[in-house]
Amino acid sequence: QSVLTQPPSVSGAPGQRVTISCTGSSSNIGADYDVHWYQQLPGTAPKLLIYGNRNRPSGVPDRFSGSKSGTSASLAITGLQAEDEADYYCQSYDSSLSGSRVFGTGTKVTVL
Amino acid sequence: EVQLVQSGAEVKKPGESLKISCKGSGYSFTSYWIGWVRQMPGKGLECMGIIYPGDSDTRYSPSFQGQVTISADKSISTAYLQWSSLKASDTAMYYCVRHGSGNYYRMPFDSWGQGTLVTVSS
Repeated sequence: QSVLTQPPSVSGAPGQRVTISCTGSSSNIGADYDVHWYQQLPGTAPKLLIYGNRNRPSGVPDRFSGSKSGTSASLAITGLQAEDEADYYCQSYDSSLSGSRVFGTGTKVTVL
Repeated sequence: EVQLVQSGAEVKKPGESLKISCKGSGYSFTSYWIGWVRQMPGKGLECMGIIYPGDSDTRYSPSFQGQVTISADKSISTAYLQWSSLKASDTAMYYCVRHGSGNYYRMPFDSWGQGTLVTVSS
């Protein structure tokens, strides 16, 4: 029962820029709760990619960037590389679901 | 180095019980919330609930309340996810996650276990 909506898929050629949207509501992103992004490479556990809307953990390349505005957030990948082909999930906190952490529906990024 | 090491894959029959584990190391286990995340085959991520091992304060996501039990044994730095009667629909990969320290409402899941595959089939 994801309350954060993402496009099912996005694609781009190597070197291009792609963006993934994450649309929420006034009880999660719009309530000023932070948005985080995770990358799940095929057959592996997810890993934290962006936290606190726009911060990168140590080791994450700076071609990954995050932003947030109103009830939505976005993840941008610039200089797309083959190893970026993965599933990406946004995540936030929702005050209307007994205080639950919620994930987005997920987006598959394909490198053409 | 922070590590979350989960127990191995399980194959069970409907109606059986199960308890899977997640052992934390490389940090103060009692000072960070630990959560469980479900990923059904070919599907997305769902947060099931979280526990604070320091005092066992446990919070469940509405969809999972009453369906599973989350617990922790701080003496051995291990968190658990338990079912009393499995269903075929419980077939999924289950990840344990560490919730970052700081503001409860703002922190991400900053470390993930390798996952435990649970298969429920007659």
